[in-house]
Parts: sequence; C-alpha cells; structure tokens
Amino acid sequence: TQLLEQSPQFLSIQEGENLTVYCNSSSVFSSLQWYRQEPGEGPVLLVTVVTGGEVKKLKRLTFQFGDARKDSSLHITAAQPGDTGLYLCAGWPGNYKLTFGKGTLLTVNP
Amino acid sequence: NAGVTQTPKFQVLKTGQSMTLQCAQDMNHEYMSWYRQDPGMGLRLIHYSVGAGITDQGEVPNGYNVSRSTTEDFPLRLLSAAPSQTSVYFCASSQDSGSPLHFGNGTRLTVT
Repeated sequence: TQLLEQSPQFLSIQEGENLTVYCNSSSVFSSLQWYRQEPGEGPVLLVTVVTGGEVKKLKRLTFQFGDARKDSSLHITAAQPGDTGLYLCAGWPGNYKLTFGKGTLLTVNP
Repeated sequence: NAGVTQTPKFQVLKTGQSMTLQCAQDMNHEYMSWYRQDPGMGLRLIHYSVGAGITDQGEVPNGYNVSRSTTEDFPLRLLSAAPSQTSVYFCASSQDSGSPLHFGNGTRLTVT
C-alpha cells in the first residue's frame, strides 16, 4: 500500500519558471522528508519538516508541511537546469519503515 | 568519510543463481535498510534493522534474506535469483528510525 501520493509524476519546464510538487496522504506523519535523486546516485536529503504548518526555505526551494501533518509541498522559484532530478517525499508512519512516494521527475530545460 | 558503501555497482545473474549485495556504513548508525527502486514504483522497503542482531521485514521481503552481525554491515542475500528481482538496490542508514536516511549509490542487478 502506497501511503504517500506525489503529483505530478513528470514535470518538464523552461529555465526561470516556477513549479510546485505535492505529497499527499490520508495518514498523519510525525515528520516528512524530501529527497532529491540524480541519475546513478542514491537519494540525498533536502529537508525534514516536523511541525504542522511549518515552512522551510532552502535558497530557491520552499517546503511546507500541512497543518494536519498529512501533506507537504515543495515549491521551486526560478528553476534552473541544475534542479533537474527525481524529487521524493518520505515519511515515518509511526513504525520503523520509512515510506516513500513514487517521486516527481523534474526536467528543467535551458 | 565514506558514508554508505555498496558493492558491487553492477551485477548480472542467471535465474536460480545466488549472490550477496554488500552494504557497509562508517557512521555508527543503528538503523539500516534495503530498498529496491523500479520504474513507476518508487522506492520499496525490502528489509530493515534497528540494531545489530535485529532484523525485520519491509514491504517486499520475499526472495531476500538479511543479517546484521555488526553495526557496520548489512548484507542482502538473494538465494535463487528470479527475473522479477531485476532492479536497482539501495542500502541506507540513519542514526535511528525517524532520522533522515543516508543512501549508498546503489547496485544495478539484472537477472536473465
């Protein structure tokens, strides 16, 4: 059972555009994590959000955790080709098993 | 600082062969896990361990065995490989369950 639904699955945009990726669930999570994966490598942590309503910024990336701690979003401002990659959200649903969404494959064209 | 090291990077097996995917971490992390990544399926948890001597099943454990005799090492064994096990396998570790994972760079396995 996939607890985390990510959308969109694919996203192809031009350099300079803004975009938002969504991560939704019917379950409550104590925290949600966002990872970025490049071809041939393992995922790398971008951020962890813990508190409902929390907003974290990482340069041009803004992460938000929903008030009910069931959903999260990632917004990228003025996307650059270096932002290209697979973006994954993940959460610990109260057990020892970190669950991942299926990911959003982002391509930023120069 | 090596982090999480996986070997081999690539492997081709014939159906029915066995092999062990190696994973080692040098961060003294208690929690270790194995995932497989398939197109359109995301990362799916195979097995995990919360400490030396303790292992448990994840979402897709069938066909795989693990052991955790030391804190550093968490090998994944395929006893009789099947084409359905063709995938990219990632090992990951974290300080404890709930903390962010540190991933290795993966093993790409093809079973013919």
